Amino acid sequence: KQEVTQIPAALSVPEGENLVLNCSFTDSAIYNLQWFRQDPGKGLTSLLLIQSSQREQTSGRLNASLDKSSGRSTLYIAASQPGDSATYLCAVQTGGFKTIFGAGTRLFVKA
Amino acid sequence: GAGVSQSPSNKVTEKGKDVELRCDPISGHTALYWYRQSLGQGLEFLIYFQGNSAPDKSGLPSDRFSAERTGGSVSTLTIQRTQQEDSAVYLCASSPPGGLGTGELFFGEGSRLTVL
Repeated sequence: KQEVTQIPAALSVPEGENLVLNCSFTDSAIYNLQWFRQDPGKGLTSLLLIQSSQREQTSGRLNASLDKSSGRSTLYIAASQPGDSATYLCAVQTGGFKTIFGAGTRLFVKA
Repeated sequence: GAGVSQSPSNKVTEKGKDVELRCDPISGHTALYWYRQSLGQGLEFLIYFQGNSAPDKSGLPSDRFSAERTGGSVSTLTIQRTQQEDSAVYLCASSPPGGLGTGELFFGEGSRLTVL
């Protein structure tokens, strides 16, 4: 059974700092991995999708990497801003198109 | 519409009543998912529809939960005889057609259900 774990559960950093969020999964047989952002009381916003054949994806200040064999992904946020404060979730798509989510990392960027 | 639309955004009901939650996916998206998010918890998979194929119902927590998708578009999640533990945000997502691994999920804003 696929399980997705995110570390740390919560993170507080000063504005301007570069940071890394971690995601691990137990079964390397995935089709893709997706990072999302969720603001309080809102739905999820897709940030980056990495297909299983890819190693990384970049969008602006965000860079996500995928190491399928070790069951790990990282989301790197450069020059963090208070507006980056949110919960970040990773999710893996497994057989049958089922997408399994981690519990998320709650990020707070202090001005 | 431009995004995934869910209604109602908020629903308060009494224990034992039935509720229906609606999801209108992005036009042209063939895949539709329902998830449940309890307070402070991660997302729990409920059900998945793909085109005209039989849905994957493996995440439905009990036989009080059911979902249908009419005409390959709008979906309704029905919870019968609601219990207090059903209180949660119910999130719907859709995904465009494509090969395995290409399906990016787009979420609606969710329906917050409170069972008194």
